[in-house]
Amino acid sequence: KAGVTQTPRYLIKTRGQQVTLSCSPISGHRSVSWYQQTPGQGLQFLFEYFSETQRNKGNFPGRFSGRQFSNSRSEMNVSTLELGDSALYLCASSPQPGRSYEQYFGPGTRLTVT
Amino acid sequence: AQTVTQSQPEMSVQEAETVTLSCTYDTSESDYYLFWYKQPPSRQMILVIRQEAYKQQNATENRFSVNFQKAAKSFSLKISDSQLGDAAMYFCAFNDMRFGAGTRLTVKP
Repeated sequence: KAGVTQTPRYLIKTRGQQVTLSCSPISGHRSVSWYQQTPGQGLQFLFEYFSETQRNKGNFPGRFSGRQFSNSRSEMNVSTLELGDSALYLCASSPQPGRSYEQYFGPGTRLTVT
Repeated sequence: AQTVTQSQPEMSVQEAETVTLSCTYDTSESDYYLFWYKQPPSRQMILVIRQEAYKQQNATENRFSVNFQKAAKSFSLKISDSQLGDAAMYFCAFNDMRFGAGTRLTVKP
């Protein structure tokens, strides 16, 4: 089985722009979660999607949004980019939502905001 | 709110020796899951080990084992017979959603 894929792998954007990141889960996985990883902060949970519905949301401003499609692929969008949004954005999938399931992570998208 | 604390930003171990990574958490729940994930340099994060809170027996996966102390809300990871390939960032996670800041493990040959 192919693993979780994320595109693009690297992005450079300017302050004020917006960006869309894409995640394709492992085939058969229906739950997708997004995380922001920065040095010293670890992984900060952004949101979780299942069956095209957002199930959980972390403590991030409304500039961060996401969605999930019927094929379980997910996108996240960040509008009005700020320098502090520079980070590695990780997507993870699992067969079902729920706290007991192992998450399978993608390689991440490295976003640099200048 | 649940918080996860990893108090050791960096750890170092000699190859073939044993190292323990610490993790504490805060929760009012009685049933939950705890995880350790490994993120090798420039590689994808993978699950190392999982512990269910209602199980008193500590989880073990080959050279990896945990010391789960529910009353103390402590969940440490022990790596025995450390290998060069164990060098990575290790993250402790609560209910697979809340992660600690990570511990960078270096393995010296």
